[in-house]
Amino acid sequence: AQTVTQSQPEMSVQEAETVTLSCTYDTSESDYYLFWYKQPPSRQMILVIRQEAYKQQNATENRFSVNFQKAAKSFSLKISDSQLGDAAMYFCAYRSTGANSKLTFGKGITLSVRP
Amino acid sequence: ETGVTQTPRHLVMGMTNKKSLKCEQHLGHNAMYWYKQSAKKPLELMFVYNFKEQTENNSVPSRFSPECPNSSHLFLHLHTLQPEDSALYLCASSHGLAGARGDTQYFGPGTRLTVL
Repeated sequence: AQTVTQSQPEMSVQEAETVTLSCTYDTSESDYYLFWYKQPPSRQMILVIRQEAYKQQNATENRFSVNFQKAAKSFSLKISDSQLGDAAMYFCAYRSTGANSKLTFGKGITLSVRP
Repeated sequence: ETGVTQTPRHLVMGMTNKKSLKCEQHLGHNAMYWYKQSAKKPLELMFVYNFKEQTENNSVPSRFSPECPNSSHLFLHLHTLQPEDSALYLCASSHGLAGARGDTQYFGPGTRLTVL
């Protein structure tokens, strides 16, 4: 079974600085998807970024980028130029490509942004 | 807004009550999901529906009863719940067959449930 591990429960970053959130996963599959979701205090879970395992290029969405290390089974999220609105819980998630596969989430990390 | 709405946003109920949670998606998706989010725990998948058919029941107690009358609506009927069922219940939807290439889930804001 796949597992997703987010070992840091909390992190803090100064506004305008860069922060990296860690995620590791365990799988025996070669093709899969990885996601980062953001859940602000309003509780709406929002997709931040998605990575397809067969693509070697790291995904980027504006200030958000990932460092995907397939061999190490690592999928970290980098937030550049942090803003107050980035404060939220961030969840890393894994999904295989098989039919009816499930999203497996990590426990999440709480990111606070200091003004 | 993600195009997935949930009502009510907050619900307090006694253990003998019967209530229902509602989810509606405006994205033209065909797969819908119920998740339970408890403090300090990863999201737990409860049910999956594809094209109105239930394809996943993740060993959920029978006091939770899902209903999917069409691809746009999903309900979670609750009866004789326990205090440990207090949690945030999230609904999500995705394009087609859950797990198909390119399938991404979009979440609603959740219902905060408190069982007294």
